[in-house]
Amino acid sequence: EAGVAQSPRYKIIEKRQSVAFWCNPISGHATLYWYQQILGQGPKLLIQFQNNGVVDDSQLPKDRFSAERLKGVDSTLKIQPAKLEDSAVYLCASTPRRGLVEETQYFGPGTRLLVL
Amino acid sequence: RKEVEQDPGPFNVPEGATVAFNCTYSNSASQSFFWYRQDCRKEPKLLMSVYSSGNEDGRFTAQLNRASQYISLLIRDSKLSDSATYLCVVNRAGGYNKLIFGAGTRLAVHP
Repeated sequence: EAGVAQSPRYKIIEKRQSVAFWCNPISGHATLYWYQQILGQGPKLLIQFQNNGVVDDSQLPKDRFSAERLKGVDSTLKIQPAKLEDSAVYLCASTPRRGLVEETQYFGPGTRLLVL
Repeated sequence: RKEVEQDPGPFNVPEGATVAFNCTYSNSASQSFFWYRQDCRKEPKLLMSVYSSGNEDGRFTAQLNRASQYISLLIRDSKLSDSATYLCVVNRAGGYNKLIFGAGTRLAVHP
């Protein structure tokens, strides 16, 4: 079974530029998550989708971050404009059904973003 | 106060040693608990779930104390391949699968 796919794996941009990340969850997984992991910290949830609807985006900095999952399959996360403090690894994860507490989250390899 | 707190380490131990990691969580309504392992520059992977009765998987033993809001992970007979960061993870109450990660404890096992 193929895992969660993410691209690009690495991205270097200058502050105030825009950047987009792509995630393709495990086939058939209904729930998709985007996390931000800053160096030395654990992953922090940015947004959670159930199919193509947003379940939780309480920690998404909505002035600069946006995400969509239009067809309930793959998803994009965008930052516009980027700040230095956005330098982090952006992880995508998915679970099979409704994202219930007993389901294991499967993570993709992440996209490493460096903002100069 | 962070919702999930761990000793950042690093823990430097020789092969064969026993090492214990501790974690505390602040939300008493948290429902489920996990240890994830994260290798350098890799994604987190589930190591084991943590149950109130305690559970064991080979050389790994996890314990949960709900009264003290405390979680532990014990690794016996450490191997070089155990070198990684161990993340304590709590599932926030409310039904949906919302994981709250600690900052992780780094383990380095040396020959």
